Amino acid sequence: ETGVTQTPRHLVMGMTNKKSLKCEQHLGHNAMYWYKQSAKKPLELMFVYNFKEQTENNSVPSRFSPECPNSSHLFLHLHTLQPEDSALYLCASSQDWAETSTDTQYFGPGTRLTVL
Amino acid sequence: AQSVTQPDIHITVSEGASLELRCNYSYGATPYLFWYVQSPGQGLQLLLKYFSGDTLVQGIKGFEAEFKRSQSSFNLRKPSVHWSDAAEYFCAVGADDYKLSFGAGTTVTVRA
Repeated sequence: ETGVTQTPRHLVMGMTNKKSLKCEQHLGHNAMYWYKQSAKKPLELMFVYNFKEQTENNSVPSRFSPECPNSSHLFLHLHTLQPEDSALYLCASSQDWAETSTDTQYFGPGTRLTVL
Repeated sequence: AQSVTQPDIHITVSEGASLELRCNYSYGATPYLFWYVQSPGQGLQLLLKYFSGDTLVQGIKGFEAEFKRSQSSFNLRKPSVHWSDAAEYFCAVGADDYKLSFGAGTTVTVRA
C-alpha cells in the first residue's frame, strides 16, 4: 500500500466502550498528526508526533490517548467518549515537524466515528 | 495566532464554467498558504501551496491560486470545471509556530 492508510474507516461505539484508531504511513515520513474534522468546522489539530515523540497536544481531553510506537504507525485510543466526539478523525504525515509550515502534509481517508 | 476564513460555504457551478473560491487569512507576517481538496470518503489532497516568489501559483488538476498581500487573500481558481471537481475545498495557513490552521471549507457542486 502507498500513502497514508487508516483503519477502521467507520466506527460506532457506546460511551463506555474502549476502541482504537490506527494510522499507518508508507512515505518514510518522520512526523504524524491526528486531526478532528466536524461538520462545517475547521480541522482541529489534536496531536503531533515527530520521530515518535509527542510535540503537540492541543488541549485534547484525556479520553483521547495517542500512541506512536514508531515513525510509521500512530494510534488514537478512545475511552469514555461523548456524543459530541462524533466526527471524522484524520491522520496525516509529513517529512518533519520542524518544517511543518512549509512541509506538505499527506492525509489518510479518515475514520468516521459515531458515539452513541 | 493565524486564522483562515472561507466566506462561501457552498458554491454551485455549471460544468465547463469557471470557478473561484475565496480565502482570507489573518497573520502578521508572510504566511505559508495551502489549498487542499477533499472528495467524498477521502482524505485531503494538496492542490497547491505558496511560500514565496511568484504570487500566482499553479497546482494540480488545472487549479491556480493568487496570493494578494494587500487583500490578505489566496483565492483558488479554475477556468473550466469538470464534474469530478465536485468536492470540499480547504484553505490553510501555516506560520512560524509550525501549525496549520484550516478554514471551514467550501463545498463545490457541479451541475451538468
